[in-house]
Amino acid sequence: DAGVIQSPRHEVTEMGQEVTLRCKPISGHDYLFWYRQTMMRGLELLIYFNNNVPIDDSGMPEDRFSAKMPNASFSTLKIQPSEPRDSAVYFCASSRLRPSNQPQHFGDGTRLSIL
Amino acid sequence: AQTVTQSQPEMSVQEAETVTLSCTYDTSESDYYLFWYKQPPSRQMILVIRQEAYKQQNATENRFSVNFQKAAKSFSLKISDSQLGDAAMYFCAYRSVNRDDKIIFGKGTRLHILP
Repeated sequence: DAGVIQSPRHEVTEMGQEVTLRCKPISGHDYLFWYRQTMMRGLELLIYFNNNVPIDDSGMPEDRFSAKMPNASFSTLKIQPSEPRDSAVYFCASSRLRPSNQPQHFGDGTRLSIL
Repeated sequence: AQTVTQSQPEMSVQEAETVTLSCTYDTSESDYYLFWYKQPPSRQMILVIRQEAYKQQNATENRFSVNFQKAAKSFSLKISDSQLGDAAMYFCAYRSVNRDDKIIFGKGTRLHILP
């Protein structure tokens, strides 16, 4: 089975540019999560979707961040305009609702560097 | 709100020895799931072990076992016969059964294996 697929693996861009991170969840998974990981703050949940619908976006730091899930097999996290403090590793994860003890399966992450 | 606390930011253990990573959590719920994830330098998030709160028996997976103390809200991970490949960041995580599907992560413990 293919796991969660994220692209790109690395992204380096200049401040002010738009950044789009992509995620393909595991087929059949009901939930999709976006996380940000930094040394200072650890792993933070930004937003998650259930059946393509955003359920909780309270972790999204600012209006510069937006996420979409147009269908069950694709999601994007966009930062516009990007700032140096957005530099982090961004993870996408997916899981099934049932059975309830299902863990989240993570992608390999996107390391984002904003210069 | 639920919280997960890992009080040891870093630990070291001699190869082949046993090490225990601590995790405590706070919840008012009676039914939930607990997980330990491992994040090696490759930055993949790998599920190590899971525990259902309604089960009294501690979960084990080969060299990995947990000490689940529900009354004390403690969920420690024991790694026996430590190997160099065990060097990683370890995250304790909590998932509610009755609420939404969010998983709440601790800040992590970085484990060093000394040859």
